[in-house]
Amino acid sequence: SQQGEEDPQALSIQEGENATMNCSYKTSINNLQWYRQNSGRGLVHLILIRSNEREKHSGRLRVTLDTSKKSSSLLITASRAADTASYFCATTGEAQKLVFGQGTRLTINP
Amino acid sequence: DSGVTQTPKHLITATGQRVTLRCSPRSGDLSVYWYQQSLDQGLQFLIHYYNGEERAKGNILERFSAQQFPDLHSELNLSSLELGDSALYFCASSQGVALYTDTQYFGPGTRLTVL
Repeated sequence: SQQGEEDPQALSIQEGENATMNCSYKTSINNLQWYRQNSGRGLVHLILIRSNEREKHSGRLRVTLDTSKKSSSLLITASRAADTASYFCATTGEAQKLVFGQGTRLTINP
Repeated sequence: DSGVTQTPKHLITATGQRVTLRCSPRSGDLSVYWYQQSLDQGLQFLIHYYNGEERAKGNILERFSAQQFPDLHSELNLSSLELGDSALYFCASSQGVALYTDTQYFGPGTRLTVL
């Protein structure tokens, strides 16, 4: 079963706007990662945030982690059409497995 | 291109059959992971091998088995196939064995259709 739950399940915005996706999880974690998947293709690793970190940036991506609320958010600024994809959060904990959420489907409208 | 290769890209077979999916990790990566992605179950971790040894098991059915060979490529064997096994099967690789520090690089996947 999946641990992470992304919110919203689908998001549609205009190009240039910011997109925010949220992820909640249930058990304690070592780290949380975000991945992007273009339709039917492999996953691309975006960013990893460790459990002792609160915020991380990579280009137009900003990830926050609140371990007290067991939640994370991914912000994509100045969105582009090429950002259209599904975004997944994934957690690793004691079980040494990567556990994925069900994903947020992001559509950027030109 | 992640550097992880998977063959075949597409596979269509019948119920009850057996298939083998193949994965070659990135050069230098010792860990190989297998995942199943289906509409109803989402992305599920199946199994992890490090340098030829099984390290962790997820929701892998008894009808499924995997192995990692001395040249580090891996194969996932699916037998007695059922309609519900239709899914995208991904392989990923990473340098080491520590999931809390290692980035996993995913292959393009094998789309299995069981008729």
